Amino acid sequence: EAQVTQNPRYLITVTGKKLTVTCSQNMNHEYMSWYRQDPGLGLRQIYYSMNVEVTDKGDVPEGYKVSRKEKRNFPLILESPSPNQTSLYFCASSLSLRVDSPLHFGNGTRLTVT
Amino acid sequence: DAKTTQPNSMESNEEEPVHLPCNHSTISGTDYIHWYRQLPSQGPEYVIHGLTSNVNNRMASLAIAEDRKSSTLILHRATLRDAAVYYCILRDRGSTLGRLYFGRGTQLTVWP
Repeated sequence: EAQVTQNPRYLITVTGKKLTVTCSQNMNHEYMSWYRQDPGLGLRQIYYSMNVEVTDKGDVPEGYKVSRKEKRNFPLILESPSPNQTSLYFCASSLSLRVDSPLHFGNGTRLTVT
Repeated sequence: DAKTTQPNSMESNEEEPVHLPCNHSTISGTDYIHWYRQLPSQGPEYVIHGLTSNVNNRMASLAIAEDRKSSTLILHRATLRDAAVYYCILRDRGSTLGRLYFGRGTQLTVWP
């Protein structure tokens, strides 16, 4: 089944403890992206990747890192998490940036930083 | 990037049509209009997209104003399963950039 898989679904951590949220897609998609969703603010883009080894900042990249060493994986790294990064995170992918190429989203990772 | 404006919330009764509006007054000639929806506890899913002409698929219809400054997503017969947040976004056909702006969307409530 074609899908975008995020792990973990839920994560509780403490301030400053490095963590990684994994994202994997099995559709050979070139484009991948991370979003965070907060009440009243909608979906905001953190980082995106056009292809392997090509990444760029979205609207809210501060405090996050990403890497794209393989086409299928696009992990989101929080080197020193803070409480303001408590949020619901979504990974998305699409075959390309063509406008007729829809985005496929994972089911989300709910992160709590205490 | 051109942004969109949607009402925060709308309500409908089951089996009635629903018209979800979206304003995009600064749309450019190469922007496509896309709609996604997000069911509770899930990631967003693609619904439909169009450029100038009205579009239909198995999920919904998209009506685009002649001046393209607004569009309407039409659910012909709302079901309880259609209760979701609906996002209207613009994607530039000519853009090589990967930034996409989703905004807050419209929360649709469907009453039985």
